[in-house]
Amino acid sequence: QKEVEQNSGPLSVPEGAIASLNCTYSDRGSQSFFWYRQYSGKSPELIMFIYSNGDKEDGRFTAQLNKASQYVSLLIRDSQPSDSATYLCAVIPLTGNQFYFGTGTSLTVIP
Amino acid sequence: ETGVTQTPRHLVMGMTNKKSLKCEQHLGHNAMYWYKQSAKKPLELMFVYNFKEQTENNSVPSRFSPECPNSSHLFLHLHTLQPEDSALYLCASSQEGGPNQPQHFGDGTRLSIL
Repeated sequence: QKEVEQNSGPLSVPEGAIASLNCTYSDRGSQSFFWYRQYSGKSPELIMFIYSNGDKEDGRFTAQLNKASQYVSLLIRDSQPSDSATYLCAVIPLTGNQFYFGTGTSLTVIP
Repeated sequence: ETGVTQTPRHLVMGMTNKKSLKCEQHLGHNAMYWYKQSAKKPLELMFVYNFKEQTENNSVPSRFSPECPNSSHLFLHLHTLQPEDSALYLCASSQEGGPNQPQHFGDGTRLSIL
């Protein structure tokens, strides 16, 4: 069973702080990991993807992958109110090509 | 402008109606997907088409019937739906239907079954 788990939140951080979003997955052979942002009433928007252990940075966003511990996280530095959204973690297992999504974490950045 | 366009944006239908959802992608991708998104539940993959061939059908009831006439267009034909089918239906595409391929989503069709 390929499960992806996220804390549903809501997670609240003050403007300018670092928001940390976490995701764990059950399939140890999973190979591709994606973070999507979804504003209310809108479609998921790809933020980052990561395939290798370690950190990957893109602007204010950093994805961290630890395959041994089976978790992937997303850090948002200098959080802005416009970052308030639901963040979805998606995983592709070793076998197959379909995404498995978590339920998402709701983030609110307080001005 | 999104590279994946879905129509209609909203649809209200009775349980005996027949309707179709349309998805068109302008990204030159070869794989397309239908997802169902219900409140408090993870996105559920319904169907996958790779180079116009259906490669996944995740035990979706037969009242949902997909059609992929070419790599740019994807339809979801609906008939005799149930109230629990009310949800947001999302279409996505990727370069190919394989690993390491980010998926790009359309804005979805909000479906309400009366």
